[in-house]
Amino acid sequence: DAGITQSPRYKITETGRQVTLMCHQTWSHSYMFWYRQDLGHGLRLIYYSAAADITDKGEVPDGYVVSRSKTENFPLTLESATRSQTSVYFCASVLAGGHNEQFFGPGTRLTVL
Amino acid sequence: AQSVTQLGSHVSVSEGALVLLRCNYSSSVPPYLFWYVQYPNQGLQLLLKYTTGATLVKGINGFEAEFKKSETSFHLTKPSAHMSDAAEYFCAVSERDNAGNMLTFGGGTRLMVKP
Repeated sequence: DAGITQSPRYKITETGRQVTLMCHQTWSHSYMFWYRQDLGHGLRLIYYSAAADITDKGEVPDGYVVSRSKTENFPLTLESATRSQTSVYFCASVLAGGHNEQFFGPGTRLTVL
Repeated sequence: AQSVTQLGSHVSVSEGALVLLRCNYSSSVPPYLFWYVQYPNQGLQLLLKYTTGATLVKGINGFEAEFKKSETSFHLTKPSAHMSDAAEYFCAVSERDNAGNMLTFGGGTRLMVKP
């Protein structure tokens, strides 16, 4: 499928477990992003990547790990999930250039019990 | 650091009424400006953006926004609300020297449309 996809769409896990959220885009966009969306906080940037093997922290990176071995994939891992990481997670991608729009995936709703 | 303020986390209008969603940014250098819409259980999609040129920007679904440098504002309007406009709206900015299009989002405004 063309575009940007996320999997799974819904995930329930327990405190302390490792969870990986997947993001895949078909446009070969250089930049990719992970956001979390929480009531009262809007969207907050977790990590971003400018190209394969180049990643950097965003506003709220603690407790998360990312990798980008291929341009099209940008997985987000919660190494030891906590209840505070219950959220909706969005992946996005964009062509380089500040005037370009980011394209968002459909989101993953994660619940940590 | 850049900040974006959306006045009113919830706005309610009647069908057919004017929609006005407010957005102010903090940068002294005008950034690139975006409005995104999020329908329930979906990702964000672009409504419109301002990069340069004409300060009144038209977007999809009859929305438009006007960049006012003196007021550091980029308010979103639609002359006549439709039930299908009920959604959450996010204003976002990207600084002009930002090759990676790092976006700073406002807190969002949930628009409710009453029949």
